Amino acid sequence: NAGVTQTPKFQVLKTGQSMTLQCAQDMNHEYMSWYRQDPGMGLRLIHYSVGAGITDQGEVPNGYNVSRSTTEDFPLRLLSAAPSQTSVYFCASSSLGDITDTQYFGPGTRLTVL
Amino acid sequence: GQQVMQIPQYQHVQEGEDFTTYCNSSTTLSNIQWYKQRPGGHPVFLIQLVKSGEVKKQKRLTFQFGEAKKNSSLHITATQTTDVGTYFCAASYGNNRLAFGKGNQVVVIP
Repeated sequence: NAGVTQTPKFQVLKTGQSMTLQCAQDMNHEYMSWYRQDPGMGLRLIHYSVGAGITDQGEVPNGYNVSRSTTEDFPLRLLSAAPSQTSVYFCASSSLGDITDTQYFGPGTRLTVL
Repeated sequence: GQQVMQIPQYQHVQEGEDFTTYCNSSTTLSNIQWYKQRPGGHPVFLIQLVKSGEVKKQKRLTFQFGEAKKNSSLHITATQTTDVGTYFCAASYGNNRLAFGKGNQVVVIP
């Protein structure tokens, strides 16, 4: 099992560019989520999904889109990158269709927006 | 949104000493999870507490859940250099969202 994988590991964007952060898991987990981590701010939930075809907003969803067409994949799209989106992004998954289970985190994507 | 407060935010701990980190909520929690993140790494699950007053141990780590299910603590004894990192608590308020605290960054002094 590869667990939760994220690509790319590092990315530099210019303001206004769009891109997709990829997240995949091979554990057949129903619940997947995206967090951003900024210094001193902990982890803030962007979007989450309780199963294929179902997504919902988290604490800081503005400027991001998600979709969940398969159980395995949960990409995060930045529509028009802004410097405020410079952050480390983590994808996580858990086996149940809800939050009351161990969250397995991917290695993260370090994004810089110039 | 719902928040969990962690104190302290930073700790410098002498190797061999004990330390405790705390997590507090103003409302009752369904459960609480603890994670550890090494510098440059990703959060790794440590434990989940569900029952009021629950105490769980993992070697040198002791986790407690308050009787009112509004606070939790992590106590580490005989600190080692491998304990360096940031410890997060994360709470579920029963709405399918996990709210993370801001973390307690621990530096171990050899």
